[in-house]
Amino acid sequence: DGGITQSPKYLFRKEGQNVTLSCEQNLNHDAMYWYRQDPGQGLRLIYYSQIVNDFQKGDIAEGYSVSREKKESFPLTVTSAQKNPTAFYLCASSITSYSNYEQYFGPGTRLTVT
Amino acid sequence: GDSVTQMEGPVTLSEEAFLTINCTYTATGYPSLFWYVQYPGEGLQLLLKATKADDKGSNKGFEATYRKETTSFHLEKGSVQVSDSAVYFCALRMKTSYDKVIFGPGTSLSVIP
Repeated sequence: DGGITQSPKYLFRKEGQNVTLSCEQNLNHDAMYWYRQDPGQGLRLIYYSQIVNDFQKGDIAEGYSVSREKKESFPLTVTSAQKNPTAFYLCASSITSYSNYEQYFGPGTRLTVT
Repeated sequence: GDSVTQMEGPVTLSEEAFLTINCTYTATGYPSLFWYVQYPGEGLQLLLKATKADDKGSNKGFEATYRKETTSFHLEKGSVQVSDSAVYFCALRMKTSYDKVIFGPGTSLSVIP
């Protein structure tokens, strides 16, 4: 079955530690995205990548970093510089950047930092 | 800038009631429009989409029509079920310099038996 996997589903970290969230897709999609969702709020774009070895900042990139070394993988690192890292993180992908195509979402990772 | 506005939730309906969730948008160009649904603790799933004016998207009994004259994309269902309880997001997608998808804040729906 094609889809997007995110692991782990729940992640707990101590303040001051960096943590990397995994996102893998086997849909052969070129574009991948990371969103953050806070309780009762919509999605905010962190980073996106349109092709391998290229990525751009979204609206709230501060305190986050990404890499796109393979088409299938787009890991997100939440660094200690992110002031409020506790949130639900969603990875998405789409065929291309063109507007007719929808995004496909992974199941999400809930990160709790204490 | 481009934006999406949705009706405030939460919305609570009895089973078999008629559902409308309003969505209006502001866009400088000609977007594609989407409705996504999120069940508790899960990611978003595409519910339906429309890519041009007067298109009607439909899926699982839900419908929405792309109304360019009123810049709206309201979600409707004739008879809701308990299993429809979820958060619904309206979204638009423009072909901009970085292909941004703009999501509304979401509308929470609870259907009671």
